[in-house]
Amino acid sequence: GQQLNQSPQSMFIQEGEDVSMNCTSSSIFNTWLWYKQDPGEGPVLLIALYKAGELTSNGRLTAQFGITRKDSFLNISASIPSDVGIYFCAGQQTGANSKLTFGKGITLSVRP
Amino acid sequence: EAGVVQSPRYKIIEKKQPVAFWCNPISGHNTLYWYRQNLGQGPELLIRYENEEAVDDSQLPKDRFSAERLKGVDSTLKIQPAELGDSAVYLCASSLGPAPWQVVEETQYFGPGTRLLVL
Repeated sequence: GQQLNQSPQSMFIQEGEDVSMNCTSSSIFNTWLWYKQDPGEGPVLLIALYKAGELTSNGRLTAQFGITRKDSFLNISASIPSDVGIYFCAGQQTGANSKLTFGKGITLSVRP
Repeated sequence: EAGVVQSPRYKIIEKKQPVAFWCNPISGHNTLYWYRQNLGQGPELLIRYENEEAVDDSQLPKDRFSAERLKGVDSTLKIQPAELGDSAVYLCASSLGPAPWQVVEETQYFGPGTRLLVL
């Protein structure tokens, strides 16, 4: 089946630092999404990317949809303690097969 | 605007017992999804509804799992009987969809999940 690769499994940064997360796939997706999940909660959509090459920002977050449609990255600038959580990338087809395929997630820790 | 609502938030049962989860999607969202999330993993789709029709249940273990969305709004997911390996978080999501040429309408929004522990 389709697989999305996120690594490393965990990242530890200092408050104020920038961090970049990458997600790769062996399959092409029409949409890339980045979600954040806090303990005891469901994933919350951070950024959605709908077009290859698209670069989108949401506050301190920036994400890009790779030209090959097989990868995406998420950057968080000037990290703060509330950025702690698990970051999932997800690829989505459209139309009849619009299910999301998720990566395993990256757990981000931010040291004050 | 209210988000996706799920209940209960937590459930502890003994193996071989039945269990049911309930989901109320965002108002106006026609597509509803049930996902299972194992510890340390991303969510995996179990079933997708468009209105009251299950359009993708290929990943639903039909020997013990069942789901329904009778009026095209709320949905329930049932496990009978539960096994130890069913311990996981069960997430419900919804989207406006279906709209093959308008991808924004297929963006999925998740509820908080039901955390199931089978002893």
